[in-house]
Amino acid sequence: QQQVKQSPQSLIVQKGGISIINCAYENTAFDYFPWYQQFPGKGPALLIAIRPDVSEKKEGRFTISFNKSAKQFSLHIMDSQPGDSATYFCAARASGGYQKVTFGTGTKLQVIP
Amino acid sequence: SAVISQKPSRDICQRGTSLTIQCQVDSQVTMMFWYRQQPGQSLTLIATANQGSEATYESGFVIDKFPISRPNLTFSTLTVSNMSPEDSSIYLCSVAEPITDTQYFGPGTRLTVL
Repeated sequence: QQQVKQSPQSLIVQKGGISIINCAYENTAFDYFPWYQQFPGKGPALLIAIRPDVSEKKEGRFTISFNKSAKQFSLHIMDSQPGDSATYFCAARASGGYQKVTFGTGTKLQVIP
Repeated sequence: SAVISQKPSRDICQRGTSLTIQCQVDSQVTMMFWYRQQPGQSLTLIATANQGSEATYESGFVIDKFPISRPNLTFSTLTVSNMSPEDSSIYLCSVAEPITDTQYFGPGTRLTVL
């Protein structure tokens, strides 16, 4: 019940295209859903996060879509650039004191020119 | 956001030895975490380290193998003891920022055990 399932495992997108990464969860106590971006040799960096009181959050070219009833959320990267090539992790956390973050399995994105 | 540094950034160690990884944060934080990330894999939480109390270990991780110190609100160490090649991994320090509880990660320590 603590798992966060992420797909696809890898993704190749042409420059200028839309990259879409999907995640699903089971634990209805989760109420905070961050996305992390990790470049090779670096630690994960917080990219964008959403809480279930909104269905969408946009920051620049990055958008999170959230479907509470389906227990799914996704990351859309518009106008994908080669510099976006990285591994992306979705994650989820429950509230009530500090609860540990559960990470998805990761998606390796490659944006080709 | 919190700025986190780790030392060493990488190391190559012999089987049976121990390595202590240091984590320094530029602001005071209550909660610090240690993760392991094997090549091409996701992040696995090793333990949560709160200042003034013993670390809380996740299933599959024990204090004898991964002792943790948390002497103050800006510093922590993780020791990987009696290392074997299976311990080769990236070890990441992470903190939860007060108020927002947003979690930030350090750059990681890449450990190779021969």
